[in-house]
Amino acid sequence: GESVGLHLPTLSVQEGDNSIINCAYSNSASDYFIWYKQESGKGPQFIIDIRSNMDKRQGQRVTVLLNKTVKHLSLQIAATQPGDSAVYFCAENMEYGNKLVFGAGTILRVKS
Amino acid sequence: DGGITQSPKYLFRKEGQNVTLSCEQNLNHDAMYWYRQDPGQGLRLIYYSQIVNDFQKGDIAEGYSVSREKKESFPLTVTSAQKNPTAFYLCASSIRFNEKLFFGSGTQLSVL
Repeated sequence: GESVGLHLPTLSVQEGDNSIINCAYSNSASDYFIWYKQESGKGPQFIIDIRSNMDKRQGQRVTVLLNKTVKHLSLQIAATQPGDSAVYFCAENMEYGNKLVFGAGTILRVKS
Repeated sequence: DGGITQSPKYLFRKEGQNVTLSCEQNLNHDAMYWYRQDPGQGLRLIYYSQIVNDFQKGDIAEGYSVSREKKESFPLTVTSAQKNPTAFYLCASSIRFNEKLFFGSGTQLSVL
């Protein structure tokens, strides 16, 4: 809970700037991906998901981009706010939906 | 107000003691999961259940047990066989297996 985030990469952005958080996934056969936000001491909160038949999906202030060629996923947050400060992690659905693997995450710090 | 409720938020275990973590959901989801979160690591799957009265071991099931007698409830018991139980435990549920999981607020388990 409170100690989540040790030894994780950190992205620091100025309030109002756009943030880009990256995730490299491992399996070229993975067909479904999810982004989560986790604040200290709380459970992960679903942000957005995307299937492998799409390259891009937009939500409210967030966009997920999927590059299957290089097995790369990114989460873009527009006009970053202090309330966006959290750990963000991705998950990939492998083995034809039978295995969901979570990344360790990236710490996003928003400077006011 | 729909969601997943985990209790207690903090739990302390004495050596040799079994403890049970509660997870209740009113989302009418068939699938439920238990994950363990350690600092700097991705979530690891302990047990999952795709339907009431059925559950399967995840990647780190040793020292843990579950039951799924009701659709809305999926309690996790941390037994004395689990030698390193200190962690943040997360329960989740979803409509479709391994897609768009919704998480509870977590239970921090510590050893006295």
